[in-house]
Amino acid sequence: DVKVTQSSRYLVKRTGEKVFLECVQDMDHENMFWYRQDPGLGLRLIYFSYDVKMKEKGDIPEGYSVSREKKERFSLILESASTNQTSMYLCASTSGTELLAKNIQYFGAGTRLSVL
Amino acid sequence: AQSVSQHNHHVILSEAASLELGCNYSYGGTVNLFWYVQYPGQHLQLLLKYFSGDPLVKGIKGFEAEFIKSKFSFNLRKPSVQWSDTAEYFCAVNSRNSGNTPLVFGKGTRLSVIA
Repeated sequence: DVKVTQSSRYLVKRTGEKVFLECVQDMDHENMFWYRQDPGLGLRLIYFSYDVKMKEKGDIPEGYSVSREKKERFSLILESASTNQTSMYLCASTSGTELLAKNIQYFGAGTRLSVL
Repeated sequence: AQSVSQHNHHVILSEAASLELGCNYSYGGTVNLFWYVQYPGQHLQLLLKYFSGDPLVKGIKGFEAEFIKSKFSFNLRKPSVQWSDTAEYFCAVNSRNSGNTPLVFGKGTRLSVIA
């Protein structure tokens, strides 16, 4: 069964802290994605990665960075957390063995981050 | 750039009522279309998808969606909703020809089914 695991369901951090959100998939997928989900705004893409050590900016990359040192792990980093980064963060992955456009995204359960 | 518009932010229905959630996209080329569902406290999961062929696609739990190319629409339907259909529904699209484009999601429609 497909599994995307996000390390924390809930996280509370202080303004200015460096925050790491971890995502691991066990499906040997090439492609991984980070979204944030806010009420009334849907899902917005922050960063994605097609391979180890590769990354691409999504629609809202400002204030975030990512790291993909191993195929199964994709980390989202908030260098200096701010209150407007309080949100639900979702990780997803897809296989790259087919044409990407046909692939189905599998999502983790999400990390609800509160920045105080 | 692609965009997805979901017409309703919140829909409230009684059990056994029929459901139709609107989704329109803007993109001039060939697209793949998806509906995802997020039940309360659960992760997003695929409800149904359209890649090509029959424009009427059937998904899990009795849901179906119809791709109407001329209207750039992919509306979700269910003839008779149940309380367990209470969830948030997201329409998504990406380009079939590009090969490396992530999904673009709509803002979601929250469905509340009351007894």
